[in-house]
Amino acid sequence: DGGITQSPKYLFRKEGQNVTLSCEQNLNHDAMYWYRQDPGQGLRLIYYSQIVNDFQKGDIAEGYSVSREKKESFPLTVTSAQKNPTAFYLCASSIDSRSPLHFGNGTRLTVT
Amino acid sequence: ILNVEQSPQSLHVQEGDSTNFTCSFPSSNFYALHWYRWETAKSPEALFVMTLNGDEKKKGRISATLNTKEGYSYLYIKGSQPEDSATYLCAAILYGQNFVFGPGTRLSVLP
Repeated sequence: DGGITQSPKYLFRKEGQNVTLSCEQNLNHDAMYWYRQDPGQGLRLIYYSQIVNDFQKGDIAEGYSVSREKKESFPLTVTSAQKNPTAFYLCASSIDSRSPLHFGNGTRLTVT
Repeated sequence: ILNVEQSPQSLHVQEGDSTNFTCSFPSSNFYALHWYRWETAKSPEALFVMTLNGDEKKKGRISATLNTKEGYSYLYIKGSQPEDSATYLCAAILYGQNFVFGPGTRLSVLP
């Protein structure tokens, strides 16, 4: 079955460490996205990529980095520069930048 | 940044009740509106994609309308069932911009 996979489901890190969240899709989608959810807020866009080897900052990119070396993969690195990294992170993909999003199950990151 | 609002924030209804909630967005440069359903422990799933003023979409007991001139969309659920319990998200897209999600409406349907 085609889908989008995020791993791990839960992640714990010490403050000051970088951590990378995995996102893989086998839907052959060109566009991929990373969102962050905080309580009481809508999903906020961190980074997006419309094609391999290209990506753009979203609304809250500071303290994050991404790569898009393969169509299937769009990993997100939460760096030590991110001031409030504890959150729920959702990865999504779509055929193009206007089509409905297909979401992964999310990764809950806790930094202490 | 485009601001998308949803109301109410949460809603409790009895099984069999019909209900509706609202998504508001800026009406200028509108391109599309998406509705998603997000059940607990699952990933959000797309319900509707709406682009034209006056659009009405329906999927089973759930329907949605779109008014792009005044900047709102309604989602209706007829005869709510416990399995309808979820958070309902809307996301608006303006020309030249990415999706912006509202905070969601959390629906609980009590048996």
